[in-house]
Amino acid sequence: GESVGLHLPTLSVQEGDNSIINCAYSNSASDYFIWYKQESGKGPQFIIDIRSNMDKRQGQRVTVLLNKTVKHLSLQIAATQPGDSAVYFCAVTRGRGSQGNLIFGKGTKLSVKP
Amino acid sequence: ETGVTQTPRHLVMGMTNKKSLKCEQHLGHNAMYWYKQSAKKPLELMFVYNFKEQTENNSVPSRFSPECPNSSHLFLHLHTLQPEDSALYLCASSQEGGRANTGELFFGEGSRLTVL
Repeated sequence: GESVGLHLPTLSVQEGDNSIINCAYSNSASDYFIWYKQESGKGPQFIIDIRSNMDKRQGQRVTVLLNKTVKHLSLQIAATQPGDSAVYFCAVTRGRGSQGNLIFGKGTKLSVKP
Repeated sequence: ETGVTQTPRHLVMGMTNKKSLKCEQHLGHNAMYWYKQSAKKPLELMFVYNFKEQTENNSVPSRFSPECPNSSHLFLHLHTLQPEDSALYLCASSQEGGRANTGELFFGEGSRLTVL
């Protein structure tokens, strides 16, 4: 069946360093990919997305990389700050055109040390 | 007002109780969702409503009963739940179809349910 997996359940980085969170997916028909951030006691919040016709997209301090050949997705956070501490989820569509119907990974908990 | 509001934020109920979770979205979206978030498990999609019509029931037990009276409101009615149903229940909305379709889900802050 379809699955989305994350390489590390936890990640600890020093404030100011760059963070990289990885995600692997199984469905080659997935065409839309999103990263969400969930702070303690809150619902997931959209960070950045990318469609399958791109391999890189940049936002403010965040970059998403997509490698469709190996079905791998990563989120890079530049100059990580204490406010970035949260659980990060990748989500992928179940197939072409099913954009609101997402499969989520388990999440990576990012801890930022001051 | 936040985009998606859920009430109550916390709920404790016995296995024989009947309760309901409420979700309201103020974003003008046409699709609403219920997700279940359990510890150390991925978010699980439960129900999808598109233009008030249920388009997906992800093999959810009948003790969970959704209701979508209009495109802004979504309820989850709970009856004779089990302790393993204890979880965070998240509501989300999105705009599906057309040029405004980004596929992005907007989540509420969740209702933390504990079944005793």
